[in-house]
Amino acid sequence: SQKIEQNSEALNIQEGKTATLTCNYTNYSPAYLQWYRQDPGRGPVFLLLIRENEKEKRKERLKVTFDTTLKQSLFHITASQPADSATYLCARDDNTDKLIFGTGTRLQVFP
Amino acid sequence: EPEVTQTPSHQVTQMGQEVILRCVPISNHLYFYWYRQILGQKVEFLVSFYNNEISEKSEIFDDQFSVERPDGSNFTLKIRSTKLEDSAMYFCASSGVDTSGYTDTQYFGPGTRLTVL
Repeated sequence: SQKIEQNSEALNIQEGKTATLTCNYTNYSPAYLQWYRQDPGRGPVFLLLIRENEKEKRKERLKVTFDTTLKQSLFHITASQPADSATYLCARDDNTDKLIFGTGTRLQVFP
Repeated sequence: EPEVTQTPSHQVTQMGQEVILRCVPISNHLYFYWYRQILGQKVEFLVSFYNNEISEKSEIFDDQFSVERPDGSNFTLKIRSTKLEDSAMYFCASSGVDTSGYTDTQYFGPGTRLTVL
C-alpha cells in the first residue's frame, strides 16, 4: 500500500527564518502531492498542489518541491511568522481519488 | 470564497444510537468524500462518492456506514449503530475537475466532532 511519511513530528524555529518540512513517499510516484495546514480542532486547509511533472511551485511565502528520484517533497515557509504555527499535512493520491495523509509536522514559530 | 460546510460542529451520542452527519459541498463540485481523524492520529479516508454512487471505500467503511446525496446540495454520512471507537472528527471534502479532466484539489469542511458515550 502507498505510504506517506513526515519524519519530523515537531519543528521549532525563530520568527523570520525559513521553515523546511519533509515528506517522503513509498512505492510508485504519485500523480501529485498536496500540502495542507491544520489548526487544532479544525479541518485541513489546502495550501499547494504539485504534480509529478513539476519540480517546484510557489505561492507567496510558500514553496514546494517534488523530487521523484529521492521520492520526496519539501515544503518551505520563508520569513516565518508566529501565525504560521500549525500542523502541516502532506497527502498523496494512490492512483484513485482518495488522499493518503501523513501524520503531519507541528510547526512552532517563536517571536 | 466558496467553502464546504458541515453540521453539527459537535455531536454527542450514546453507544448503539444512529447519527447523521451533514455536509454541504462546494456548489459546482462533483466528487464528494468523507474522512475521519481520531484524536492525535492521521486523517483517514472513509469513502468517495461520484455520480450518485460510492466510487471507493476503505476497510473502516463497513455495513454500519452509509452515505447519501438526498438533494442537489447536501451530502450525508450515517452511522447506524455507533461504537465507542467511532469517536473522532469527521471531515467532508469535495473536489471539482481540472482542465485535464482529473479530479482536482480536495477542499475540506471544518469537521464534526463525534463523541460516543
